[in-house]
Parts: sequence; C-alpha cells; structure tokens
Amino acid sequence: DVKVTQSSRYLVKRTGEKVFLECVQDMDHENMFWYRQDPGLGLRLIYFSYDVKMKEKGDIPEGYSVSREKKERFSLILESASTNQTSMYLCASSLGTSGRANEQFFGPGTRLTVL
Amino acid sequence: DAKTTQPTSMDCAEGRAANLPCNHSTISGNEYVYWYRQIHSQGPQYIIHGLKNNETNEMASLIITEDRKSSTLILPHATLRDTAVYYCIVRVVTGGGNKLTFGTGTQLKVEL
Repeated sequence: DVKVTQSSRYLVKRTGEKVFLECVQDMDHENMFWYRQDPGLGLRLIYFSYDVKMKEKGDIPEGYSVSREKKERFSLILESASTNQTSMYLCASSLGTSGRANEQFFGPGTRLTVL
Repeated sequence: DAKTTQPTSMDCAEGRAANLPCNHSTISGNEYVYWYRQIHSQGPQYIIHGLKNNETNEMASLIITEDRKSSTLILPHATLRDTAVYYCIVRVVTGGGNKLTFGTGTQLKVEL
C-alpha cells in the first residue's frame, strides 16, 4: 500500500516563525502536492511538483514556498507564519498522469495553528 | 478545469443505495470525472473515475450522462462507514502534473 506520511499531526507556532511541514511518500511517485483545507472552502492547491527540483504554483501559493530535493520528500515552508495560515495542511502524491495513475494518495494531514 | 456543482448535504439509510449527483455542464471532451471522499479527520481517498462510459469498481459505480454534463456516484449498499464528504472533480489528463481542483463536496450522512 502507498503510504504518505506527514511529520506532525498537530503543530502550534507563533506569528513570524519559519515553519517547515514535511511530507514523505514511499512508492516512488513522480508527483507530489500540498493543499490546505479550510471550512467552507474545501481543499485548495498551494504548490505541486512533478519531478525532483521541479515545482509549480497552485491556486494559492502566496506566503508559501516548497522544496523537493529528493523524489520521496516534499517540504512546505512558511517563511514567516501568519494567523491566516492557520489551517489543515494535506500532502498528496501520485504516480503519473494517465488513468488510475492519476490517483492521488493523501497523508493524514497536519493541523497548524499560528498564534 | 470545468467547475462542478454538488448538493451541500444528503442523508441515506444504512443498507440503501446512496446516489450522489454532480453537475459539470461546462465539461470539455478531454476532461475526466473523478470522485474522491474524505472521512472525518482523514485525507481524501480516491473512489472512481470515468470519461464517457459508466464505470464500476469494488467501492462504487459511476454513471455519466450521454451529454457528459452530469454524473452520479452510486454506493449500492451504504454503511455507516460511508459517512463522509464526497468530492466530484473534472480535469484534463495531460502530461506534467495532475492537479485536482476540489470544491466543497457533498456531506453524506448514513444513518441507521
């Protein structure tokens, strides 16, 4: 079974702190994604990557950056956390782009609170 | 990617079929319909996808209308564990990344 793990289930940080959210997948997937989920807004894509060192902006990249130095790891970075970045953050990965390979596998999520 | 419209919530009795509708009237010829669900406190989970033909797997059936402007996800015998938010997504399958645009989905509540 594909496993996508996220470094923390719950995280509390202060405004202005630099925050790293880590995601690791164990199935040699090409694509990795970071979403945030907020009540009433559904899941929104922040950034995605379809190869090592490659990244593309999603729908809401402002205030975030990402790093993919190794295929299995995709990090989301909040350079200077703000209270409006309090949210549930979900990481996902997928093998490729056609048919069932398009299926995204999600991690359990990290609930980040910025005080 | 085409926009989808789903009811905010639905109820279903345990053991009965749950039929979840999705409207995607602006879908293009090369866009697939995907369904995911999210059980409380978990990440979303893939259910099924299709292009034109109806599809069935171990979890559900997907019925796509002939004009492809709407679809229905069918859970044939809903159980309490099927209580979740169900997302209908349409997207182009092209090379280079496969971003999904999630809406707010349908909250399905399965009750005794």
